Parts: sequence; C-alpha cells; structure tokens
Amino acid sequence: EAQVTQNPRYLITVTGKKLTVTCSQNMNHEYMSWYRQDPGLGLRQIYYSMNVEVTDKGDVPEGYKVSRKEKRNFPLILESPSPNQTSLYFCASSFVGAKNIQYFGAGTRLSVL
Amino acid sequence: DQQVKQNSPSLSVQEGRISILNCDYTNSMFDYFLWYKKYPAEGPTFLISISSIKDKNEDGRFTVFLNKSAKHLSLHIVPSQPGDSAVYFCAASVKGGTSYGKLTFGQGTILTVHP
Repeated sequence: EAQVTQNPRYLITVTGKKLTVTCSQNMNHEYMSWYRQDPGLGLRQIYYSMNVEVTDKGDVPEGYKVSRKEKRNFPLILESPSPNQTSLYFCASSFVGAKNIQYFGAGTRLSVL
Repeated sequence: DQQVKQNSPSLSVQEGRISILNCDYTNSMFDYFLWYKKYPAEGPTFLISISSIKDKNEDGRFTVFLNKSAKHLSLHIVPSQPGDSAVYFCAASVKGGTSYGKLTFGQGTILTVHP
C-alpha cells in the first residue's frame, strides 16, 4: 500500500530534550516536506527536500533541522524543543512535476512541557 | 500575512443540499489551487485541484470554481453526504522556481453535514 508513515503518532516531552520524528514514504517520491498545523493558521511549511541531500527552509524553519540521506526518509529533528513547538506535524511527499499533489502522513501530535 | 484565507471557520449543511466552501488569496503568482480534506486523526488527503488557465473543474460530486480577477475560489459539493463531514483546506502553489512544491494553506473550514 502506498503511504507516508510518521512515527511516533503522539509524543510528550520536556523543554530542551532532543527528539526526532521520523517520516518514510514507499512511493519513490523525490519531494518531501514537513508542515505544522496550528489553530487558526492552517498548515505551514517547515522544511522541504527536492531530492537526496537537497533540503531548504520553508516558512517556519526556526528550531528545526532535517536531513535527507535516503530518498525514502526525511526525519524532523528538534535539537532543543520549546513549548511554542507544541503542534500537530505532518510529513508529505510527491513526485517532482506532479502539480504539487502531495500525499500526507497521519500526523504526529507533539506536546513540549 | 495570510496569503490564502478561508474566512468561514465552520459550515453546517443538511444532507442532500449543496455545500459551498470559499477561499480567497492575495498572491497573484499562485497558479495552481488544491482542496484537501482532513478527517480527525488522519492526514490531509487530496480532493480536487484547478489550474489558473481554467475556471472550473469537476470530479463527481465535487466542483471547484476559480475567479482569477477576484482571487477567489470555491468548492461545491452536491449533494452533500454525512461522510463529507471533515475539515477542508484550500491550498495554492506557484509552478517552478524556488517555490516549487510549496503549498500555502488556508486556515481550514469545518464542514458538518447533518442527516
């Protein structure tokens, strides 16, 4: 089954404790992206990757890191989480040239205390 | 600044009637528009899209209309069904260039279809 898989689905952590949210897709997509969803703001792009070893900042990259060492994986790293990073996070992927029809994971709900 | 706006946080409709969800945008560089649907505890799923060279696109019960001069698009669902109850996000993108792949989303509209 074609899918984007995020782990964990739910995470509660404390300020300053490094964490990684994993994202994996099995559709051989070149393009992958991370979004966060906050009430009243819709989804905002954090980082994206056009292909392996090619990453760039989205609209709200502060406090986040990403890497793209393999085509299928695009982890999101929070080196020192803060309470304002409490949010619902989505990973998405698509083929380049696919008119931006992106496929989303089920989401990771993160709470930073 | 919110470049894509959905000004109605919620919409309630009777089963069988038409649902109309609205979206406005400010960036004239946007040339491709999408609607995504999201159920609780799931990720958004693609519903329907429209290119700026068209003013209408239909897919079954779903039709998207684009008015470029007004920078406005709408999603019509006819007839509405209880299973359509979800959050609907409007999104816009610019083809090519450094913005490739970036979707700019609206805030979402919660649609409730009553039996």
